Amino acid sequence: DGGITQSPKYLFRKEGQNVTLSCEQNLNHDAMYWYRQDPGQGLRLIYYSQIVNDFQKGDIAEGYSVSREKKESFPLTVTSAQKNPTAFYLCASRDRGTGVNYGYTFGSGTRLTVV
Amino acid sequence: QKEVEQNSGPLSVPEGAIASLNCTYSDRVSQSFFWYRQYSGKSPELIMSIYSNGDKEDGRFTAQLNKASQYVSLLIRDSQPSDSATYLCAPRNFQKLVFGTGTRLLVSP
Repeated sequence: DGGITQSPKYLFRKEGQNVTLSCEQNLNHDAMYWYRQDPGQGLRLIYYSQIVNDFQKGDIAEGYSVSREKKESFPLTVTSAQKNPTAFYLCASRDRGTGVNYGYTFGSGTRLTVV
Repeated sequence: QKEVEQNSGPLSVPEGAIASLNCTYSDRVSQSFFWYRQYSGKSPELIMSIYSNGDKEDGRFTAQLNKASQYVSLLIRDSQPSDSATYLCAPRNFQKLVFGTGTRLLVSP
């Protein structure tokens, strides 16, 4: 079955450490996105990528970095510069070839906790 | 002004009633609009999309769009306890979706 796989599901990090969240899709989608969700809040866009080797900052990119070396993969690194990284992180993808009526497909998310 | 405004709720309705969820947006260039349902601790799932003014029906769900008023709504008929979740409104802004904070719906048996 096609879908988006995020790993790990739960992640604990010590303050001052960088950590990388994995996102892999086998949907052959061109565009991929990373969102952050805090309790009681909506989804805020961190980074997105429309094609391989290209990505753009979203609304809250500070303290995060991404790469898009392969179409299937869009890993997110949470750096030590991110002041409050504890949150639920969601990866999504969309086929750019489809019309504007198509939404995103989401992964199951990674819950990051800084200890 | 936030890009997408939703009442956070909770909106409480009895089983079998109609639940009405509302959303206003600020970007006039938004072309299409999506409603996602998110259960606690889970990822959002797409339930409706709409891009033309008027109503679009899909089973128990009806999305309504008024671009002139920058308003989109979701009606859920015959609400069930399993509909209890947070509903996120998401207008498309060029290449990305912008999400509202969501409305929490509680359907009591």
